[in-house]
Amino acid sequence: AQSVSQHNHHVILSEAASLELGCNYSYGGTVNLFWYVQYPGQHLQLLLKYFSGDPLVKGIKGFEAEFIKSKFSFNLRKPSVQWSDTAEYFCAVKFKGSARQLTFGSGTQLTVLP
Amino acid sequence: GAGVSQTPSNKVTEKGKYVELRCDPISGHTALYWYRQSLGQGPEFLIYFQGTGAADDSGLPNDRFFAVRPEGSVSTLKIQRTERGDSAVYLCASSLTHASGSTDTQYFGPGTRLTVL
Repeated sequence: AQSVSQHNHHVILSEAASLELGCNYSYGGTVNLFWYVQYPGQHLQLLLKYFSGDPLVKGIKGFEAEFIKSKFSFNLRKPSVQWSDTAEYFCAVKFKGSARQLTFGSGTQLTVLP
Repeated sequence: GAGVSQTPSNKVTEKGKYVELRCDPISGHTALYWYRQSLGQGPEFLIYFQGTGAADDSGLPNDRFFAVRPEGSVSTLKIQRTERGDSAVYLCASSLTHASGSTDTQYFGPGTRLTVL
């Protein structure tokens, strides 16, 4: 079965540290890739997405992600995190042929210490 | 414009009862999705509507779960004979469907937290 893995369940960083959250999926075909964020008490919001073209995509709030097809990965990065980035981050994949639904990873809780 | 709205925000019920959860998608979005998110997990797909019809209900766990979207806008997720294991946050999302048949980004509502006692 197609699946999405986020290996880091909880990441704790100090402000200004760099961030990289891993996301891997198990499928060799065409995919659309997403990162969503859920701030405390809020609903899921889209950070960035990749459909085609340049594999390095930039999103809101200084986040970016790189699609590496050979590694089946779509890691999220930010050069300098802020306390306000404390949230849960979800990687999601739309696999070609699986209708329209997204398959989500289990999420990574990011805590940024002031 | 308004985002996806869901009501109620919280629902507490007793085991064996029937519940209905409502989703109001973004105006103009023809595709609507239901997901379920258990504690410590990512959302899991339940059902997808394109217009009024359920295009894919492969994620519904069993026949106690049913969803409708009679006029192609608001959708209701119905759960019969609720069980404690049904406790979760139920999320609704909507998206545009382009003329080519491809779909755009899914936008999520705030969810309904269902607790079955």
